[in-house]
Amino acid sequence: GAGVSQSPSNKVTEKGKDVELRCDPISGHTALYWYRQSLGQGLEFLIYFQGNSAPDKSGLPSDRFSAERTGGSVSTLTIQRTQQEDSAVYLCASSRDRGSNQPQHFGDGTRLSIL
Amino acid sequence: QKEVEQNSGPLSVPEGAIASLNCTYSDRGSQSFFWYRQYSGKSPELIMFIYSNGDKEDGRFTAQLNKASQYVSLLIRDSQPSDSATYLCAVRNRDDKIIFGKGTRLHILP
Repeated sequence: GAGVSQSPSNKVTEKGKDVELRCDPISGHTALYWYRQSLGQGLEFLIYFQGNSAPDKSGLPSDRFSAERTGGSVSTLTIQRTQQEDSAVYLCASSRDRGSNQPQHFGDGTRLSIL
Repeated sequence: QKEVEQNSGPLSVPEGAIASLNCTYSDRGSQSFFWYRQYSGKSPELIMFIYSNGDKEDGRFTAQLNKASQYVSLLIRDSQPSDSATYLCAVRNRDDKIIFGKGTRLHILP
């Protein structure tokens, strides 16, 4: 597609439920990133993929969070047993590769609300 | 010391004036630097990137990089009300990780 596509755009769920967020990067972009942004805060790095592999998982806040990417394209971020502090906007970005001057292009995000 | 620091603002600038946004970073081995604009409720959009010392101009925007002093700035000339947004500085550090600052809120006064 023309841009990074994320779904759903909004998700409201009860505490304790699992959620799955999807990101479809720009075609041909090999690098994919997940960030979290709480209200009024900056971007918190979660994880990045180069192709299908995730060399850097250091940002995942707990073992309830996991992510995968198959076929070097679509990625899913899964949050198990959601907690209220997981409420945030989850942003996905992609770039052509991990080259030092490659900018990231962001999707519109998924606004997650945990009741 | 935070890895990427920005003044949270708000920075108020009269319409037509120059807005100056600053960002400092801690990793001297950082290679690439990006400025994003984020409107309220929207995702960040790239404005400029720079990786060589000096100035880089694109329309009303100029990015300035000083690696010795570890700062990068963004100048917006002829500020317009539509420039009112949060500006995020991002730095790719020596570990190849992109770190974002918390952003500076800019308010252009009509």
